[in-house]
Amino acid sequence: DIQMTQSPSSLSASVGDRVTITCRASQGINNYLVWFQQKPGKAPKSLIYLASSLQSGVPSKFSGSGSGTDFTLTISSLQPEDFATYYCQQYNSYPYTFGQGTKLEIK
Amino acid sequence: EVQLLESGGVLVQPGGSLRLSCAASGFIFSSYAIYWVRQAPGKGLEWVSGVSGSGGGTYYADSVKGRFTISRDNSKNTVYLQMNNLRADDTAVYYCAKGGAGFQHWGQGTLVTVSS
Repeated sequence: DIQMTQSPSSLSASVGDRVTITCRASQGINNYLVWFQQKPGKAPKSLIYLASSLQSGVPSKFSGSGSGTDFTLTISSLQPEDFATYYCQQYNSYPYTFGQGTKLEIK
Repeated sequence: EVQLLESGGVLVQPGGSLRLSCAASGFIFSSYAIYWVRQAPGKGLEWVSGVSGSGGGTYYADSVKGRFTISRDNSKNTVYLQMNNLRADDTAVYYCAKGGAGFQHWGQGTLVTVSS
């Protein structure tokens, strides 16, 4: 199985900051990577797919990059509604696997 | 509008069985894979199982292989997750999600609690 390692596991930032979350796959995943945002009690929301494609309706403050095994999610100009938990997931091969999550908190 | 609606989550005893359903609408159901993802209380997301659009391909996480069975009825636009020999660590909210387009569509989740 492909292991997905996210870092950091938690992150404290201020409104207006720019933050980056990293996801590393244990083997190449052909850019089949999706980033989700999840708020408490809600289903995950897809932000970025195929590593760098912005999901419909998602603001351009969210961006994804990377290839091979190393990927990043960048959020620019943080707003209060952006404080949530973020997950990466590979969908290159079964079983699909998630990173352990990054909790983004207000400083 | 794409909609996914899970049902079937209840309190069940360890060793028991349960069938979850995911009813879909708003898209050509047989053209898309459907997945189950779970989240234990206070924990992260765990991919559980998936089924291809035709139903001919089924996939499982190691943690549920041999205990859970995924299936679909394309005439009813519904995917099922049969869960047998349930354990306490299967306690979670179970979500179904539509494949394609970066997993844009999810249900609201159904809670399964395994406890005596």
